[in-house]
Amino acid sequence: QKEVEQDPGPLSVPEGAIVSLNCTYSNSAFQYFMWYRQYSRKGPELLMYTYSSGNKEDGRFTAQVDKSSKYISLFIRDSQPSDSATYLCAMSEGGSYIPTFGRGTSLIVHP
Amino acid sequence: DAGITQSPRHKVTETGTPVTLRCHQTENHRYMYWYRQDPGHGLRLIHYSYGVKDTDKGEVSDGYSVSRSKTEDFLLTLESATSSQTSVYFCAIGGQEGNQPQHFGDGTRLSIL
Repeated sequence: QKEVEQDPGPLSVPEGAIVSLNCTYSNSAFQYFMWYRQYSRKGPELLMYTYSSGNKEDGRFTAQVDKSSKYISLFIRDSQPSDSATYLCAMSEGGSYIPTFGRGTSLIVHP
Repeated sequence: DAGITQSPRHKVTETGTPVTLRCHQTENHRYMYWYRQDPGHGLRLIHYSYGVKDTDKGEVSDGYSVSRSKTEDFLLTLESATSSQTSVYFCAIGGQEGNQPQHFGDGTRLSIL
């Protein structure tokens, strides 16, 4: 079993929908949690970076970490066609600079 | 953008030939990384560097070597390319003190025929 599990999708939603993307993990030592967005033929772009449990909001994006359940989420409000991309979660232990990545979820927002 | 340039952006070559990919950064980061990304596997770490001339292996290092003679440049070499090394290769920087997150270049698409 991979350390970080992420449903590959694709997840198809209508424009304006609230999107929920999720990852589960098995390593309780993970303390830093990241979400990256990757457009086709581009590199991953850092969207959100959080430490430990709790929520972090940035515009239409909210990252949520539940360490007790080993579960992280990224919520996108008022989704737009420009949000269509692959979203990768990543996480790392305290003191480690090499994250473990999920395989990514493909999101399609249709007009 | 994080100031990472990968070259070439695309390359087609034949089995058995040597190939070198270059990553250049303008951020003066100590740590640099090479990943490959393949369908069904996600991002896999090949090698990384924690300083000039200081490198270490990742999870899929067989068939690859790296060199870092300057802070800004990190080279990935396939000594004798095989078709299984057809992939998209990404360079990343970051991950210094305070667990800074990584930032990625836009990748090199490598096809080995």
